[in-house]
Amino acid sequence: NAGVTQTPKFRILKIGQSMTLQCTQDMNHNYMYWYRQDPGMGLKLIYYSVGAGITDKGEVPNGYNVSRSTTEDFPLRLELAAPSQTSVYFCASSYSSLNEKLFFGSGTQLSVL
Amino acid sequence: TQLLEQSPQFLSIQEGENLTVYCNSSSVFSSLQWYRQEPGEGPVLLVTVVTGGEVKKLKRLTFQFGDARKDSSLHITAAQPGDTGLYLCAGPRFNKFYFGSGTKLNVKP
Repeated sequence: NAGVTQTPKFRILKIGQSMTLQCTQDMNHNYMYWYRQDPGMGLKLIYYSVGAGITDKGEVPNGYNVSRSTTEDFPLRLELAAPSQTSVYFCASSYSSLNEKLFFGSGTQLSVL
Repeated sequence: TQLLEQSPQFLSIQEGENLTVYCNSSSVFSSLQWYRQEPGEGPVLLVTVVTGGEVKKLKRLTFQFGDARKDSSLHITAAQPGDTGLYLCAGPRFNKFYFGSGTKLNVKP
């Protein structure tokens, strides 16, 4: 059972470079989320999606973009990487936003130097 | 400002001690969840509380949802080194799941 799969696991970027963090889930979940977690801290919501073709901003969306062309995939795009974007990024999914459990990927550790 | 505030931020205790972690908000939540996260992994759900005043037990862990559904607590009895980790509360509002700032627990043998 794959669950939520994130790639890559680690990445180092130079300031100004771009990259896409991939996220795929095979549970037919409607809701998908991108979070970032700074060391020893909680998770901050970047973007979320309630279904294919629908995305919306979370708490910290600046510097990021997302798309949701299929139910399974929810990639996160960094256009002009900045040192402030150094963090661990988690993708998560759930069937709905009510009392449902969030399933998380294993995370992507990103360093911008 | 954080929608969900957790306290304490750090907790270092000896094996066998009891502890309580708090999760507070000025907003009403339809439910609150508690997750545990180990280094290098994503958070894993421990429990969901839905009804105001609800108490749920998971072995040595006791979770309570406040009567007004604005706060929750996690109590661990006789903590063990295996309880070490980052504890996060989370709740849904308007299609978004918000997380607290986390409580980092270290249980020393």
